[in-house]
Amino acid sequence: AQTVTQSQPEMSVQEAETVTLSCTYDTSENNYYLFWYKQPPSRQMILVIRQEAYKQQNATENRFSVNFQKAAKSFSLKISDSQLGDTAMYFCAFMRGLAGNQFYFGTGTSLTVIP
Amino acid sequence: GAVVSQHPSWVICKSGTSVKIECRSLDFQATTMFWYRQFPKQSLMLMATSNEGSKATYEQGVEKDKFLINHASLTLSTLTVTSAHPEDSSFYICSARDWDTQYFGPGTRLTVL
Repeated sequence: AQTVTQSQPEMSVQEAETVTLSCTYDTSENNYYLFWYKQPPSRQMILVIRQEAYKQQNATENRFSVNFQKAAKSFSLKISDSQLGDTAMYFCAFMRGLAGNQFYFGTGTSLTVIP
Repeated sequence: GAVVSQHPSWVICKSGTSVKIECRSLDFQATTMFWYRQFPKQSLMLMATSNEGSKATYEQGVEKDKFLINHASLTLSTLTVTSAHPEDSSFYICSARDWDTQYFGPGTRLTVL
């Protein structure tokens, strides 16, 4: 079975600073996808960034980037120039690449951006 | 981008009644949709996987007869909570798979009195 672990239940960061959220996972699969989703107070789940396991290059989306370490099964999210709107719950998720459609979610990290 | 709608956004009902929640993929076809339940300050708990034209696959511990799922078209899946009780009060979220990514609806807050 796949497991996803987020070891930081809560984090805070000063506005304009950089913060890194951690995520580790356990799988025997070789083909899979990893995601970070953001859930603000509105509770709408928003896709932040995705990474294909077969790609060595780390994904980047504007201020959001990941550090994907396949051998270590680590997938951290870096948020640069933090903004107040980044305050949210962040969930790391794993999906098998072939027949499996299911997402496996971590327990989430609550991020607060302090003005 | 891929958009998923969910209706209603909130509903209050009396104990013993049934409630239907709709999930639609607006700009793509989704052969697979998912239904989740989320408790406050917790992660999403997968309830069932809805496949167009076939029976849903339920997760262990989820009552099939209580949470009826119908995926009649490539853009619509419905979740019906039958004979709802106060313990069914929760936040229900659907998602639709577009190739290799899931896109989520805005959620439905169900309160059973």
